[in-house]
Amino acid sequence: DIQMTQSPSSLSASVGDRVTITCQASQDISDDLNWYQQKPGKAPKLLIYDASNLETGVPSRFSGSGSGTDFAFTISDLQPEDIATYYCQQYANLPTFGPGTKVNIK
Amino acid sequence: EVQLLESGGGLVQPGGSLRLSCAASGFDFSSYAMNWVREAPGKGLEWVSAISASGGSAYYADSVKGRFTFSRDNSKNTLYLQMNSLRAEDTAVYYCAKDRFRGSYAGPHDHWGQGTLVTVSS
Repeated sequence: DIQMTQSPSSLSASVGDRVTITCQASQDISDDLNWYQQKPGKAPKLLIYDASNLETGVPSRFSGSGSGTDFAFTISDLQPEDIATYYCQQYANLPTFGPGTKVNIK
Repeated sequence: EVQLLESGGGLVQPGGSLRLSCAASGFDFSSYAMNWVREAPGKGLEWVSAISASGGSAYYADSVKGRFTFSRDNSKNTLYLQMNSLRAEDTAVYYCAKDRFRGSYAGPHDHWGQGTLVTVSS
């Protein structure tokens, strides 16, 4: 199984800040990496697929980068509605999610 | 508009069985692989299973292999997850989720249902 790690597990930032979350795979997954946003009590929402492709309708302040084993997810201008938990997911093999990063507003 | 509606969750005793359903609409159902993903209380997301567009192939996480069976009826636009030998650690909200790309399996999940809660407890 491919294991995914995420860092940090939680963060607090101010509105307007640039926030970056990293995700690391236990083996090379090329660009088979997605990012999801989940708000409390809601289903996850796909934000980024194939490491860097912005899903239709998702604001451009969200972006992703990386390939191989190291990936990053960035919110360029943090908004109050971005309070959520963010998960990476690999699908190079049977899918696995990272443990999540909880984002709060300072 | 894509819609996915899960049903069938509830309280079941350890060792018992339950069948979840997911009714799909708003897209060419028979062209897309589908998935089940679960979220245990206070925990993160766990991919559970995927099924090919035709239903001919299904894939499972090690944690449910041999106990869960994923099937689909393309004539009814409906998915089924048969869960047997349930354990306390299977307690979770179960989501069905659609693959973004035709012809793939277990790829990016671009639409999700609202989830159904399964509680395994005596």
